Amino acid sequence: GAVVSQHPSWVICKSGTSVKIECRSLDFQATTMFWYRQFPKQSLMLMATSNEGSKATYEQGVEKDKFLINHASLTLSTLTVTSAHPEDSSFYICSARDRIYGYTFGSGTRLTVV
Amino acid sequence: EDKVVQSPLSLVVHEGDTVTLNCSYEVTNFRSLLWYKQEKKAPTFLFMLTSSGIEKKSGRLSSILDKKELFSILNITATQTGDSAVYLCVPFTGNQFYFGTGTSLTVIP
Repeated sequence: GAVVSQHPSWVICKSGTSVKIECRSLDFQATTMFWYRQFPKQSLMLMATSNEGSKATYEQGVEKDKFLINHASLTLSTLTVTSAHPEDSSFYICSARDRIYGYTFGSGTRLTVV
Repeated sequence: EDKVVQSPLSLVVHEGDTVTLNCSYEVTNFRSLLWYKQEKKAPTFLFMLTSSGIEKKSGRLSSILDKKELFSILNITATQTGDSAVYLCVPFTGNQFYFGTGTSLTVIP
């Protein structure tokens, strides 16, 4: 079946630094990638949708200059949290959408900003 | 190798029917199991199960976990067309989520 590999699984960074999270679709081409953030009580908030080769579409309230999304190829999308602050600490999860497999989720990245 | 298997993969029922969705898992360092409902792009949280044998209920939905048999079920009674969605079973280790492929439920009037 389809697999999405997400790295790193956890990262600790200092306040003010940037962190890049990668999601790779293995054995299939992800025409669309979604990025989520998990909030307390386990709800997943959609942050943005990216299509290969075009700019990401950000959900209302998500700062596009702070959460940079790149989807340069059909198998790789990256989320960069710029100038991270403690309030950015969270789980970030990606999912890839393919016509055959539907939605396939990554395993998440636990970001802790100190 | 860690894995999550949900069954059935898809299900079509009539309004008013009761359905049971199954999830079996083999995950190292298991901590809890989450159930989500996905209708559009973002999954909606339903339950988090940590202890065996304790049923959690929310309206017509209920779920239970068996940590010995590595199994969880999600029950939906008196189904409605609004229950049509993909239901995701997600074991969680504290650091990683393991999303199953989901069960696609279609409820027809």
